[in-house]
Amino acid sequence: GAVVSQHPSWVICKSGTSVKIECRSLDFQATTMFWYRQFPKQSLMLMATSNEGSKATYEQGVEKDKFLINHASLTLSTLTVTSAHPEDSSFYICSARAPGPRVQPQHFGDGTRLSIL
Amino acid sequence: KNEVEQSPQNLTAQEGEFITINCSYSVGISALHWLQQHPGGGIVSLFMLSSGKKKHGRLIATINIQEKHSSLHITASHPRDSAVYICAARPQGGSEKLVFGKGTKLTVNP
Repeated sequence: GAVVSQHPSWVICKSGTSVKIECRSLDFQATTMFWYRQFPKQSLMLMATSNEGSKATYEQGVEKDKFLINHASLTLSTLTVTSAHPEDSSFYICSARAPGPRVQPQHFGDGTRLSIL
Repeated sequence: KNEVEQSPQNLTAQEGEFITINCSYSVGISALHWLQQHPGGGIVSLFMLSSGKKKHGRLIATINIQEKHSSLHITASHPRDSAVYICAARPQGGSEKLVFGKGTKLTVNP
């Protein structure tokens, strides 16, 4: 089945640091990837939709200069949390969708737990 | 009111029991997903369906488009089934944004 790899799985860093999270589709090409954020005991919240070769589409309220998304190839999208602060501590998870004429399922990574001290 | 409602919010069962988790939605959909989120956070896509019924191992998902309702059933439940089960609707109209339910936390005791 389709596999999405997310790295790193856990990050602890100091306030002010920039953190990059990678999302890779291992066995399929993903023209579209999605970045979600999840707070404890809450549901997934879509942050942005990443399209290969073009700018990401951010959801309302998500700062694009804070959360930089790059989707430079059909198998890799990255999310960079710039100048991270404790309030950015959260669980970040990506998903990827294979191209196709019909509705395709999203395949999720294992997530990245980010803790900012 | 959330566009996707799940019930129950929490469910505790004994090993071997038959489990049902319900999902109701108020939007027109092109597809409905059932996801499983493990305690570590990783998410597995269990089913994507737009009509009828799908079965995979001990898991069965059904959907009634007219009633805007879907159910996830687990037969012969096992402690390893303990997880949060999330229903997510993909609205009609070409949008890829999923609308998520709040999840059902299932605990299966040995």
